[in-house]
Amino acid sequence: DVKVTQSSRYLVKRTGEKVFLECVQDMDHENMFWYRQDPGLGLRLIYFSYDVKMKEKGDIPEGYSVSREKKERFSLILESASTNQTSMYLCASSLSQGETQYFGPGTRLLVL
Amino acid sequence: AQTVTQSQPEMSVQEAETVTLSCTYDTSESDYYLFWYKQPPSRQMILVIRQEAYKQQNATENRFSVNFQKAAKSFSLKISDSQLGDAAMYFCAYRNPNDMRFGAGTRLTVKP
Repeated sequence: DVKVTQSSRYLVKRTGEKVFLECVQDMDHENMFWYRQDPGLGLRLIYFSYDVKMKEKGDIPEGYSVSREKKERFSLILESASTNQTSMYLCASSLSQGETQYFGPGTRLLVL
Repeated sequence: AQTVTQSQPEMSVQEAETVTLSCTYDTSESDYYLFWYKQPPSRQMILVIRQEAYKQQNATENRFSVNFQKAAKSFSLKISDSQLGDAAMYFCAYRNPNDMRFGAGTRLTVKP
């Protein structure tokens, strides 16, 4: 079974802090994704990556950056956390572009 | 830009009955994939069913089936013989090589 893990289930940070969210998948998937999930808005794509060191902006990249130094690991970085970045963050991976995405358990981030 | 619309924020169904969740999407592409994902309360998002746009035949997975109407850009999910474990948020999703979008979700309640 594919396993996608995220570094934290719950996180509380202060405004202005730099925040790192890590995601690791164990199935050698090419594609990895970061979403945020908010009630009534569904999932919105922040960034995705087709390969190591490659990244593409999604719908809402502002205030975020990503890093993919190794194939299995995709990190989301909030350069200076703000209260409007309080959300559930979901990581996912897929073998190729048309294949099923496998999701991590999510990180619920609260920015005070 | 592609959009995915789920017009039913909430639905309920009696156990053992059938329910249909609606999804429409907007795209100018001819090659894409459509998905239904399920997110049970406090649990990870998992795939329910997947449809390739070039296939005319509707996908089925046990009690789950879709009605894919390409010309109408409609992709509804039918759940037959509903079970208590089907209670969850259901998300419709669209993917092409350059884009990945989710609908806002439909919360399904199953009544015993």
